[in-house]
Amino acid sequence: QQQVKQSPQSLIVQKGGISIINCAYENTAFDYFPWYQQFPGKGPALLIAIRPDVSEKKEGRFTISFNKSAKQFSLHIMDSQPGDSATYFCAASGGSNYKLTFGKGTLLTVNP
Amino acid sequence: NAGVTQTPKFQVLKTGQSMTLQCAQDMNHNSMYWYRQDPGMGLRLIYYSASEGTTDKGEVPNGYNVSRLNKREFSLRLESAAPSQTSVYFCASSRTGYGYTFGSGTRLTVV
Repeated sequence: QQQVKQSPQSLIVQKGGISIINCAYENTAFDYFPWYQQFPGKGPALLIAIRPDVSEKKEGRFTISFNKSAKQFSLHIMDSQPGDSATYFCAASGGSNYKLTFGKGTLLTVNP
Repeated sequence: NAGVTQTPKFQVLKTGQSMTLQCAQDMNHNSMYWYRQDPGMGLRLIYYSASEGTTDKGEVPNGYNVSRLNKREFSLRLESAAPSQTSVYFCASSRTGYGYTFGSGTRLTVV
């Protein structure tokens, strides 16, 4: 049972465009929703995270939008740059469970 | 500040061989985790240790064992490697269960 579903699998965006990656979760006990960025040959690195008491969190060009009733959250990358080309993972955890459950990842390519 | 250190970075094993992947963190984190990453499958949890002295199975524990040697170190052992265990293995740690810090990975090939 996949508890966090991520889409799309891959995304191609032109420089300066907006990249949008979506995730949906099933477990209503989840209360922490991070996004990780991974460059080839590296480990994932925490990019931005949100808790369900807010509907949006922005850090620079990266924004998480959260819809608790729909059990969905998304990552928006504004003014996408070639340096943003990477694999992005959404994840979720909650309650007494310290384990992060990850989506399957989205390979983002930003063309110059 | 090294963060999470994994050794080795690359390894080729023959089917049936055993090996131990090492992981150490210097951030005084309580929790440590082992994930495997396969194309199109995302990151899947193998085992985790919520605190020193405890270990629990994750989503894909079969064929693996772990040891939380102390607060800093968490090792993953493959007793009899199989080609299905060809993967990239990541160790991670966290203080509270949030904000994982990942190592740079071990790329394992079983032939």
